[in-house]
Amino acid sequence: GDSVTQMEGPVTLSEEAFLTINCTYTATGYPSLFWYVQYPGEGLQLLLKATKADDKGSNKGFEATYRKETTSFHLEKGSVQVSDSAVYFCASGSGSEKLVFGKGTKLTVNP
Amino acid sequence: GAGVSQTPSNKVTEKGKYVELRCDPISGHTALYWYRQSLGQGPEFLIYFQGTGAADDSGLPNDRFFAVRPEGSVSTLKIQRTERGDSAVYLCASSPNVGENTEAFFGQGTRLTVV
Repeated sequence: GDSVTQMEGPVTLSEEAFLTINCTYTATGYPSLFWYVQYPGEGLQLLLKATKADDKGSNKGFEATYRKETTSFHLEKGSVQVSDSAVYFCASGSGSEKLVFGKGTKLTVNP
Repeated sequence: GAGVSQTPSNKVTEKGKYVELRCDPISGHTALYWYRQSLGQGPEFLIYFQGTGAADDSGLPNDRFFAVRPEGSVSTLKIQRTERGDSAVYLCASSPNVGENTEAFFGQGTRLTVV
């Protein structure tokens, strides 16, 4: 079945550092790919998505590019802030329904 | 407006008991989803509804789990004869419809602990 593997955390960075969280997927067909974020005490929120190969999703300074050749969707941000501290989940799916999630990566950004 | 609301936020129950978890989706959203998140894991799909009917219940782990959405709005996830392994955070999400251009909005979850 479909699966998503993401970089295990936790990840601790200083403010303004560069962030990469790796994510790879296996799927039949060509799924859409997502990054969700869960801030402390809040529900999962969609951060960005890409629906086809070579698409780049971006939001709040975060970016991820759908790479079919490497089956990857790595999350990047050039300069993290303390407010980016959260748990990040990579997910795949045909759309909004039946998403397959990775295990999550906890990010802590220190001032 | 109000987001997806789940009640209770926490539930402790004894092994073997029956529990019901409630989800109030965003008003007007036709699709509703249930996921289960065990400690240290990502959410796992359980079931989704399109309107009143279960469009896909392939993620329900066994016949102790059942979900309903009788009027196409509020949904209840029901677990019979609870086991300690059922302890997890149960997440509900809703979306205006389904498809690749649709975003699912998640509630904060119900943390179920079976003792």
